[in-house]
Amino acid sequence: RKEVEQDPGPFNVPEGATVAFNCTYSNSASQSFFWYRQDCRKEPKLLMSVYSSGNEDGRFTAQLNRASQYISLLIRDSKLSDSATYLCVVGVYGGSQGNLIFGKGTKLSVKP
Amino acid sequence: DAGVTQSPTHLIKTRGQQVTLRCSPKSGHDTVSWYQQALGQGPQFIFQYYEEEERQRGNFPDRFSGHQFPNYSSELNVNALLLGDSALYLCASTGTGDRETQYFGPGTRLLVL
Repeated sequence: RKEVEQDPGPFNVPEGATVAFNCTYSNSASQSFFWYRQDCRKEPKLLMSVYSSGNEDGRFTAQLNRASQYISLLIRDSKLSDSATYLCVVGVYGGSQGNLIFGKGTKLSVKP
Repeated sequence: DAGVTQSPTHLIKTRGQQVTLRCSPKSGHDTVSWYQQALGQGPQFIFQYYEEEERQRGNFPDRFSGHQFPNYSSELNVNALLLGDSALYLCASTGTGDRETQYFGPGTRLLVL
């Protein structure tokens, strides 16, 4: 079983649509959770951290359920510029340092 | 505020050769992690350097080695290159104050022929 699993995608949606990405992780010792965005042939960039209480940043809402080891990202009113690959990421820490475990990513294409 | 920089941007090598990739962390950061991203996959953790020592390592063979310098910059070395080593190699840095957030450089795209 992969450590971080995401919807396989791709998702093709019209502008203005609401899109939901789902992700599960297998390591119950995971301590931090993120969504990264990666544009074609570019590096991943942090979109938002994910907290147990849920958090929102404009049109983006992230949720974490530690009991079911599930993470989600909701994008409302999608824009053409939201087209990218969305990577679900968990942080695992040993001592004071940690490393990130990435999902395979889900590609989103927003069409006019 | 300089972000993470990597060099070179692209590289073509042949099987069996050796390659060295370089990374300078974001200003104020002291920890460097290296990741390999194959086409269509998410990045995979190779190893992490802090205080000039390898602190953590992912599931990569000994052909992958690294180094961190006193100025916190880092190198990734890969010996005896295989076709399967073709990938985007990403460097990420973190610093005191926020050990959880990693900032990525633009990557080095390596093609092994």
